[in-house]
Amino acid sequence: SYELTQPPSVSVSPGQTARILCSGHKLGNKYAFWYQQKAGQSPVLVIYQDTKRPSGIPERFSGSNSGNTATLTINGTQVMDEADYYCQAWDSNTGGVFGGGTKLTVL
Amino acid sequence: QLQLQESGPCLVKSSETLSLTCTASGGSISSNSFYWGWLRQPPGKGLEWIGHIYYSGSTYCNPSLKSRVIISVDTSKNQFSLKLSSVTAADTAVYYCARVLRGSYSYYMDVWGKGTTVTVSS
Repeated sequence: SYELTQPPSVSVSPGQTARILCSGHKLGNKYAFWYQQKAGQSPVLVIYQDTKRPSGIPERFSGSNSGNTATLTINGTQVMDEADYYCQAWDSNTGGVFGGGTKLTVL
Repeated sequence: QLQLQESGPCLVKSSETLSLTCTASGGSISSNSFYWGWLRQPPGKGLEWIGHIYYSGSTYCNPSLKSRVIISVDTSKNQFSLKLSSVTAADTAVYYCARVLRGSYSYYMDVWGKGTTVTVSS
């Protein structure tokens, strides 16, 4: 079955750039999606189809996907960006797959 | 603006069937542009895709849950539902309903309900 791997945690200082990686076999051949989940809340889509931002998502959020790794980048990270982030892809055999999630700490 | 609301029992006994309903407001389940999905998140853990359904009734279910899952749609009530049979403690989770979009060789969620916590008791 297809799997996505994320680091459990990432820390960044306010105003710095945060990068969260998601790895999977030939992930670059699929689309990657990213969700932000703040404590006690439902997930929110922040990046779809590798690089696109839904309406209302700040420009500081961007995404890329190549080879075996998709990356969520947050430029000028703010305290309000502290959350769990999940990558997701669709595999023709496994179906919808999520990474294990990365806890972003901004301090 | 579309809103989704999950409803159903918060406590289910082990070996019984978990039943949840998602009611959509501010948008139609019958739209041919979207699918409607169920996902879950065990306490302190990550997200799991349970399955999704099209307004016509065609469904996709996670292979690991397929034998226990039924997803149905009631367009007259603007609702879709989840039934998960033979539950165990491992099925204790927050259950989310969501709107699912189909992209090129992919599916993803752009609107989520607030989630409902279901606990399986012995």
